[in-house]
Amino acid sequence: AQTVTQSQPEMSVQEAETVTLSCTYDTSESDYYLFWYKQPPSRQMILVIRQEAYKQQNATENRFSVNFQKAAKSFSLKISDSQLGDAAMYFCAYTRFGNEKLTFGTGTRLTIIP
Amino acid sequence: DAGVIQSPRHEVTEMGQEVTLRCKPISGHDYLFWYRQTMMRGLELLIYFNNNVPIDDSGMPEDRFSAKMPNASFSTLKIQPSEPRDSAVYFCASSFGGGIGEETQYFGPGTRLLVL
Repeated sequence: AQTVTQSQPEMSVQEAETVTLSCTYDTSESDYYLFWYKQPPSRQMILVIRQEAYKQQNATENRFSVNFQKAAKSFSLKISDSQLGDAAMYFCAYTRFGNEKLTFGTGTRLTIIP
Repeated sequence: DAGVIQSPRHEVTEMGQEVTLRCKPISGHDYLFWYRQTMMRGLELLIYFNNNVPIDDSGMPEDRFSAKMPNASFSTLKIQPSEPRDSAVYFCASSFGGGIGEETQYFGPGTRLLVL
């Protein structure tokens, strides 16, 4: 069974600094997708970024980028120029190609220090 | 597009009562998912539909839970009778599979359920 592990229950960063959230996963599949979702205090789940496993290039969305290491089964999220609005729970998620079920990690609570 | 719409946003009920949660997926999406989020268990997939047909309900906790999707624009999750341990945030999500592989799931705002 696929598992997703987020080993950092909580992280904090100074405003305008850079922070990296870790995620590792376990799978025997070669084709899959990885996601980072943000859940602010409103509890809305918001897609931050998505990575296709067959793509070597790391995904980037404005201040958010990932470091995808397929061999190491690692998928970290880097937030540059952290802003107060980035404060939230961040969930890493996995789904294999051809299967629509998402497997989520336990989340990392990110605090932004003004 | 308005995104995934869920109602009600908050529900407080007493143990033993029937609870019905509603979801309207994004127009054109052919997959619909129901999740439950609790502090103890995190995010759990309860059931999902493809083209209105239930595909996997292995996450449904017990017979007290049932879900339907009578058409492409509406789904319900019903709990009868409700119990305090059902208190959680219930999310609906939808995606467009398109036959080329899974696509991103977009989540609704959730329904916060409290069973007293």
